Amino acid sequence: AQTVTQSQPEMSVQEAETVTLSCTYDTSENNYYLFWYKQPPSRQMILVIRQEAYKQQNATENRFSVNFQKAAKSFSLKISDSQLGDTAMYFCAFMKHGLGTGNQFYFGTGTSLTVIP
Amino acid sequence: GAGVSQSPRYKVAKRGQDVALRCDPISGHVSLFWYQQALGQGPEFLTYFQNEAQLDKSGLPSDRFFAERPEGSVSTLKIQRTQQEDSAVYLCASSLIGRILQETQYFGPGTRLLVL
Repeated sequence: AQTVTQSQPEMSVQEAETVTLSCTYDTSENNYYLFWYKQPPSRQMILVIRQEAYKQQNATENRFSVNFQKAAKSFSLKISDSQLGDTAMYFCAFMKHGLGTGNQFYFGTGTSLTVIP
Repeated sequence: GAGVSQSPRYKVAKRGQDVALRCDPISGHVSLFWYQQALGQGPEFLTYFQNEAQLDKSGLPSDRFFAERPEGSVSTLKIQRTQQEDSAVYLCASSLIGRILQETQYFGPGTRLLVL
């Protein structure tokens, strides 16, 4: 079974500063993807960034970057130059591909991030 | 459409009532997923469709839950004889094909169900 753990239920950061959200996962799979999704109060989940497990290079999307440590099964999200619009719930997700099951996501319990003006 | 849409956005039901939740995926998306998100939790997988075929329903919590996608586009999640523990946000997601590992799922805004 796959499990995703987010150990920080709530975090806050001052506007323009940097914050790191942690995520660990457990799997016996070797080929998989990891995602960070953002869920603002409107509840629409928005993809922030994704990482292929076979790639050693950490993914980067503008102010968002990840620190992927495959051996440690760790996948943290760094948000640089935090903006008020970054306030949201952030979910770490693991995706494996199963024959006949499509691409099933396993989500963590989320980290509520508040950016303070 | 521009994104995944769901209706209704909010639903209040009396215990024992049947409810139907609708999902309109992104046009042309083959794969469709339903998730249940309890308060303070991450989404949990319920079921998966590829076109009209329901390939995985392992996450449905009981036989009171039923999902269909008869024409391979719009999907309906039906909950019969609702119970208080069914109260949650029900999320729908779609992806273009679903057989490619790197595919991204696009989520709808969810339907918040409250069973009294």
